Amino acid sequence: QSVLTQPPSVSAAPGQTITISCSGGSSNIEKNYVSWYQHVPGTAPKLVIYDTFRRRSGIPDRFSGSKSGTSATLGISGLQPGDEATYYCGTRDSSLRVWLFGGGTKVTVL
Amino acid sequence: QVHLAESGGDVVRVGESLRLSCTLSGFDVDDYALFWVRQAPGKGLEWVASVSYDGRDKDYAASVKGRFTISRDYSKNTLYLQLSSLRPDDTAMYHCARTADTPFDVWGQGTMVNV
Repeated sequence: QSVLTQPPSVSAAPGQTITISCSGGSSNIEKNYVSWYQHVPGTAPKLVIYDTFRRRSGIPDRFSGSKSGTSATLGISGLQPGDEATYYCGTRDSSLRVWLFGGGTKVTVL
Repeated sequence: QVHLAESGGDVVRVGESLRLSCTLSGFDVDDYALFWVRQAPGKGLEWVASVSYDGRDKDYAASVKGRFTISRDYSKNTLYLQLSSLRPDDTAMYHCARTADTPFDVWGQGTMVNV
């Protein structure tokens, strides 16, 4: 069981907007930057959002990141079939001195 | 072009050892901390181990501490993970990744270990 909690799946039709939550604690999400990674099985995971809200170069502005207290959120607007993947949040835990990832959220475009 | 390529994955028996390699190219490896992250079948990502840019600091997940050893060879631009006393729950795809100011900004495709 991951320390960072994500919903297992989210689905929506093309063009719609989805949000993916990542719930953690005071020693990880609340204290540190959060990143989001996109992963399609069999390929290398890809960084999408870093420093909680910054988009990696080449990532469209349909992707957004935010944080409030011990929770972070990834938003994807104008959903496209190419967005289908599993998305993971990640951060450092200052107390445990470890890197943490969420359990992953599978995004399905209907 | 920045590229990380893992190799060394195999099918092994419980208790055996294995060494994974990650070949690094297209960037100055001296500037980056390096990581191993694994994904067990049907599970999420799990940080395994990390080594600082200068090789002095090494950290391990509790699940592998004392059994796995991370190292880097600057002359060969290669990251290693020595896996010992392997258990069935070590079965996973093992990815290497780099971090400087931006965490885990580039990953490799992974190499599969089956115990």
